[in-house]
Amino acid sequence: KNEVEQSPQNLTAQEGEFITINCSYSVGISALHWLQQHPGGGIVSLFMLSSGKKKHGRLIATINIQEKHSSLHITASHPRDSAVYICAVAGADGLTFGKGTHLIIQP
Amino acid sequence: DAGVIQSPRHEVTEMGQEVTLRCKPISGHDYLFWYRQTMMRGLELLIYFNNNVPIDDSGMPEDRFSAKMPNASFSTLKIQPSEPRDSAVYFCASSLWGADTQYFGPGTRLTVL
Repeated sequence: KNEVEQSPQNLTAQEGEFITINCSYSVGISALHWLQQHPGGGIVSLFMLSSGKKKHGRLIATINIQEKHSSLHITASHPRDSAVYICAVAGADGLTFGKGTHLIIQP
Repeated sequence: DAGVIQSPRHEVTEMGQEVTLRCKPISGHDYLFWYRQTMMRGLELLIYFNNNVPIDDSGMPEDRFSAKMPNASFSTLKIQPSEPRDSAVYFCASSLWGADTQYFGPGTRLTVL
């Protein structure tokens, strides 16, 4: 079974800071998802990627298949970015989730 | 489109009762996923369907759990009999194809007393 590790578990930063959240996995995958869970509980899919890099607004996601590692970056962070960010990998045994990174952006 | 619709949003029941959770995926999406989220275990995939057919139910915790998708616009997750340890938020998600972006419903918060 794939082991998915996220770091850090918790992150508090000031508005405007550049944020990086990391995700590592143990077994080869077909795709990796980054999800955002709002304080109210709703889940939004941010990215699905299998190679390279994707950008959407202030969010950037990268993946290194050889290193089995992905990063999610937030530029010019804002309090509304405060949420739990969850990495999920799609492999032979289905979808495996990380425990999430709880991000708080203070004004 | 209204997005993925789940009902009920909240369910409180007593141990031993049957619980049925419902999901309407986004029209045209061929894949439907059921997830469970708890504080202890985080998000877990329970089962997913492709074109109404269950593809992988290895995440279903035990025989008390069953899921059906009688047509492309409706799926149910049933727990019978329910137990307090089943208390969790259950999410349904759909996607156009298996590895595509998934769209999540608002979830059903289940409390079993």
